[in-house]
Amino acid sequence: DQQVKQNSPSLSVQEGRISILNCDYTNSMFDYFLWYKKYPAEGPTFLISISSIKDKNEDGRFTVFLNKSAKHLSLHIVPSQPGDSAVYFCAATVDSGGGADGLTFGKGTHLIIQP
Amino acid sequence: DVKVTQSSRYLVKRTGEKVFLECVQDMDHENMFWYRQDPGLGLRLIYFSYDVKMKEKGDIPEGYSVSREKKERFSLILESASTNQTSMYLCASRPRGQLQTQYFGPGTRLLVL
Repeated sequence: DQQVKQNSPSLSVQEGRISILNCDYTNSMFDYFLWYKKYPAEGPTFLISISSIKDKNEDGRFTVFLNKSAKHLSLHIVPSQPGDSAVYFCAATVDSGGGADGLTFGKGTHLIIQP
Repeated sequence: DVKVTQSSRYLVKRTGEKVFLECVQDMDHENMFWYRQDPGLGLRLIYFSYDVKMKEKGDIPEGYSVSREKKERFSLILESASTNQTSMYLCASRPRGQLQTQYFGPGTRLLVL
């Protein structure tokens, strides 16, 4: 049973436009969410995160929105650039204080930025 | 700059072989993790460790074991490799209590024939 779902395997966006990647979760215990970006033949790199006490977090061109009642989060990239083409993973965890738990990942969305 | 290194980028093994995947981090992180990445399945947690000699099962531990004898090193062991263990294996480390700073290694692509 998948606890973190990314229902779009791929997304194609024109350069300069907004990219919106979506993620849903089913485990109501999750209270910390992260987005990772992965290029082929490299490990994932951390992009942005959000705690459940917030509904928005912004870092440059990247903004993550959290809707707890809908158990939904989204990553907005604006404007989209060619270097943003990668696989994006949504991840969630329970911030138990010890921070020892592993992250639960979605299946990923392959974002393709077209010139 | 945090560095997580994995002993091999590519590995080819035969069914039934014992396989060791090594991971080393240089930032004194308490927590270390092993994931596997498969097309259409994303990253799945195999095992993790929050301290030396401590280990916890993740979501898919079957067929795997781990060893953490030193803080900086976390080994994943396939006792008897099978073809369904062909995958990309990713190691990660993280300081205790800092969820957003989980660093991944470059991955080991394992092919079991």
